[in-house]
Amino acid sequence: AQTIHQWPVAEIKAVGSPLSLGCTIKGKSSPNLYWYWQATGGTLQQLFYSITVGQVESVVQLNLSASRPKDDQFILSTEKLLLSHSGFYLCAWSLDWGGNTGQLYFGEGSKLTVL
Amino acid sequence: QQQVRQSPQSLTVWEGETAILNCSYEDSTFDYFPWYHQFPGESPALLIAIRPVSNKKEDGRFTIFFNKREKKFSLHIADSQPGDSATYFCAASASNYQLIWGSGTKLIIKP
Repeated sequence: AQTIHQWPVAEIKAVGSPLSLGCTIKGKSSPNLYWYWQATGGTLQQLFYSITVGQVESVVQLNLSASRPKDDQFILSTEKLLLSHSGFYLCAWSLDWGGNTGQLYFGEGSKLTVL
Repeated sequence: QQQVRQSPQSLTVWEGETAILNCSYEDSTFDYFPWYHQFPGESPALLIAIRPVSNKKEDGRFTIFFNKREKKFSLHIADSQPGDSATYFCAASASNYQLIWGSGTKLIIKP
């Protein structure tokens, strides 16, 4: 069975400090990977997607970057946090896109509070 | 325009009634329309999805009605149960690995 694990579960960080969030997918080879941001009680905003190792596409510019150093690993980071970065970060994977195989499977999420 | 509008923002129905959630879009290139639900403290999970080749998709008590001409789609939850209480998100996508999400409907089912 496929599992997706995000770390850390929660972080409290100061404005201007760096951040690194991680996501690991086990049991699935070469998945499509995605990073999403969700404000408390709000909608989801897609941040990045990656179809293959080493290649990451940005969807919106929020002073964040992402990398896929391994097939099963997706990293979200920034060198300088802003207050607006607070929220819930969700990693997701899919087999394919659209149709019957485009289903997104989300991780448990990482809650970020920037003070 | 890459936007999906969702209404209502919140909806309360009695157990056993049909809940109707609505979405609309403008981009004609969208060709995949999923609905996700999210329970408090949990991550979103796919409920049901449709492609424009159909105007209706059923899965048990959940039905998507799709109107390509008016660029609208809706989720009907028949025989609503208290366990259906959650936030429901519609979304839309063209074939480019990007999902555009609606703003969500918080659904409360009263017993």
